[in-house]
Amino acid sequence: ETGVTQSPTHLIKTRGQQVTLRCSSQSGHNTVSWYQQALGQGPQFIFQYYREEENGRGNFPPRFSGLQFPNYSSELNVNALELDDSALYLCASSSLLGGGIDEQFFGPGTRLTVL
Amino acid sequence: GNSVTQMEGPVTLSEEAFLTINCTYTATGYPSLFWYVQYPGEGLQLLLKATKADDKGSNKGFEATYRKETTSFHLEKGSVQVSDSAVYFCALSSWGKLQFGAGTQVVVTP
Repeated sequence: ETGVTQSPTHLIKTRGQQVTLRCSSQSGHNTVSWYQQALGQGPQFIFQYYREEENGRGNFPPRFSGLQFPNYSSELNVNALELDDSALYLCASSSLLGGGIDEQFFGPGTRLTVL
Repeated sequence: GNSVTQMEGPVTLSEEAFLTINCTYTATGYPSLFWYVQYPGEGLQLLLKATKADDKGSNKGFEATYRKETTSFHLEKGSVQVSDSAVYFCALSSWGKLQFGAGTQVVVTP
């Protein structure tokens, strides 16, 4: 069973640029969630995708956007980068069933630094 | 809204000491509760979970009981090892979205 993978591992960008982060779900999972973890803090929910549709969004501005593909992999796009966007971005995959989501499996994260 | 509060760290212990990390939550309904662990430079790993009141989650010597009456989910381990040094996050799941506490760093010294 392949786990959740994310790419790239590290990324350095400058203010105003755009970035795309990628995530491959664990085999058999149909739901992907993205979280932002600032240094020294707990992860904050950005949004979730289920079968290629957004299925909930946290308190993040529209310049944070995402996609989920038919193979359930996903992208997180951030436009007009700001210094405060520097963080570890975590992707988690899970299965959304009739009874709801049980367990989310996390990838190793992408460390984004905005200069 | 939902929220998770956990004790601040760092918590510094000697090997074989007893560990408790307090976690309380505020939520509507009956969320599932989780403890995740994050080792330096890594992502999150699920440590244990409980899906309903009075459930006890356990894994690798860690335990936590879902207490609805006190809205708590405290993490305990009877005898810690140096390899348990990490940051521990308490979380609740509401409609499939995880809400985390701020994390508690645990440092275990030989």
